[in-house]
Amino acid sequence: AQKITQTQPGMFVQEKEAVTLDCTYDTSDPSYGLFWYKQPSSGEMIFLIYQGSYDQQNATEGRYSLNFQKARKSANLVISASQLGDSAMYFCAMRDGGTSYGKLTFGQGTILTVHP
Amino acid sequence: DGGITQSPKYLFRKEGQNVTLSCEQNLNHDAMYWYRQDPGQGLRLIYYSQIVNDFQKGDIAEGYSVSREKKESFPLTVTSAQKNPTAFYLCASSTPRAAFSMNTEAFFGQGTRLTVV
Repeated sequence: AQKITQTQPGMFVQEKEAVTLDCTYDTSDPSYGLFWYKQPSSGEMIFLIYQGSYDQQNATEGRYSLNFQKARKSANLVISASQLGDSAMYFCAMRDGGTSYGKLTFGQGTILTVHP
Repeated sequence: DGGITQSPKYLFRKEGQNVTLSCEQNLNHDAMYWYRQDPGQGLRLIYYSQIVNDFQKGDIAEGYSVSREKKESFPLTVTSAQKNPTAFYLCASSTPRAAFSMNTEAFFGQGTRLTVV
């Protein structure tokens, strides 16, 4: 069964500094995709970045990058040059290609607070 | 504009009543999902559907039911059997998997906040 773990309930960062949000996963399927979403206090879910299990390079999208360590089964999100608007809940999610294909599983989330 | 519409945004239900949450998408996506989110918690999968007339239970399906009669619609019924239904409910959709690709992020609606009174 697939499982996603986010061990940091809350993180604090100073504006303009970088922050890393941790995510580890567990799956027996060799084909899977990892996603990060942002949820502001309004409740909407905003897709940030994707990493495929066969991708050779770490994914990047603007200020977001994914530190993908396949052997360790970790997919940490790095936010560079934090902004006040980055304060939100962040979720890591995974879809694998096994018998539960299509099932998109989320972690517990990390609340990020950016201080001025 | 294309997107996912959930209605209503706020819903109040008396104990013992069934209530149906609406989710409609015009993105031509095959896959649709329902998640429950409790305050300060992650998203837990209730049901998901990969194709019309087919759906699978997620991790917390007890007390919920769904139907998928049309590609665009995936309504969720919260039955009286659900012991603690007060929560934030999110609907999502995504395209089917392309061959050997998992790159199909889910698009979410704005959510429905259900309160039992």
